[in-house]
This record gives sequence, structure tokens and C-alpha cells, in this order.
Amino acid sequence: EPEVTQTPSHQVTQMGQEVILRCVPISNHLYFYWYRQILGQKVEFLVSFYNNEISEKSEIFDDQFSVERPDGSNFTLKIRSTKLEDSAMYFCASRTTGGLYEQYFGPGTRLTVT
Amino acid sequence: AQKVTQAQTEISVVEKEDVTLDCVYETRDTTYYLFWYKQPPSGELVFLIRRNSFDEQNEISGRYSWNFQKSTSSFNFTITASQVVDSAVYFCALSEGSLFNTDKLIFGTGTRLQVFP
Repeated sequence: EPEVTQTPSHQVTQMGQEVILRCVPISNHLYFYWYRQILGQKVEFLVSFYNNEISEKSEIFDDQFSVERPDGSNFTLKIRSTKLEDSAMYFCASRTTGGLYEQYFGPGTRLTVT
Repeated sequence: AQKVTQAQTEISVVEKEDVTLDCVYETRDTTYYLFWYKQPPSGELVFLIRRNSFDEQNEISGRYSWNFQKSTSSFNFTITASQVVDSAVYFCALSEGSLFNTDKLIFGTGTRLQVFP
């Protein structure tokens, strides 16, 4: 069964460093998302991406964040200068076209900023 | 404003008990979608079900059943004869779309279910 994959599973970085979280969505999906979950809290929407551009972003997704689909398979989230409060689980999700079908989530990348 | 409320923070049951997880939502939209996701201790989010706002038929899948009631803006989830493997955090989520051209998922705060042997 096709699935969304994410790498790395765990990333530790120092405050102020840049990180890139990688995702490989399900191959025939065209809508891509990033969400984050601070430990013990709810899952929060960051950004959605379709047709090589951002379709929507939340207030959390400020200038420190960017997304890219550098090739036909990867979807990345970059945080330019990490802060302690960026520590969270970051989930990538994707869905197929046509209606609001369910989003399938990857296993997540746990980002720890020290 | 759109919002999902899961008032039950944590529920503990003994194996084979039935348990219902509550979800109440608020939306501005007339067409919307409701979802349940399971987050086991390993951390991934597992899709369980999607319901459309225009389809209030309840659904049963094995030991799982869902009760969607637009009149009370609720989308409750019942696990019959719970098992230890059902222990997880369960998230209810809402997605609007027809009026505001958005498909982001709005999650509730989750209900942690612990099933003891």
C-alpha cells in the first residue's frame, strides 16, 4: 500500500541553524501539506501546496519557513533559523485530486532545537 | 469560526468495554468534511474515516462506528469491545471547502484512550 515517507525521523539542531525536513508524498497525489504537533498538543496546520505554489498558510508559517517541491517526488519544509519553540513533530500529508478527500500522513519528523 | 472540540481529555476503560469519544464542531460552511485520525504511541497519524456534511448516515466498520448528527454538530466515535491495541490518542478533524476555498484540517485537542487488560 502506498504511503507518505518522511526523513529524518528525528533531527536535533542548535538554535539559529537551518533545517530541511523531507517528505515523499504518495505518487499520484497532487496536494501536499505540512502540519506540526508540539508535544502533547493538537496537530496544527502550517501550509498547503498545489501546482507548485502555496495555496494556503497559517499564521505560524512566517518568513522563517519555506516549502519546495524540488523534483517530481520530494516535498520539503525549510526552517531558516530555528528557535526553541520550533521543537515539535512535523507531519507531511498528501491527498489525491477531486473533492476534499482524506489526507494521508507520513510518520513525522521529530525536531528538537537545543 | 471553525473549531473542533473534544471535551474528553483522557478515557480509561477495561478491555471489552464499549467506549464513545465525543466530537463537537463549529463551521461557517454548509459543505464540510469530518474526519477521525488515530495516533498510536508510535506517533503516526492513521486515517480512520471521512464523512461529508450532506451524508448523515451512520457508519460501522468492524468494532468501530460513527454517529454524525448535524442537528447537534457532533461526530462521535464508538469502539465496541475495546482492545488494548485501541490505546491511542484519537483526533477529530474538520475541513471546510465550498465557500472559502480551503482544505486544511482543523484538529481537536484529541482524546487519549487507555484500554487496560
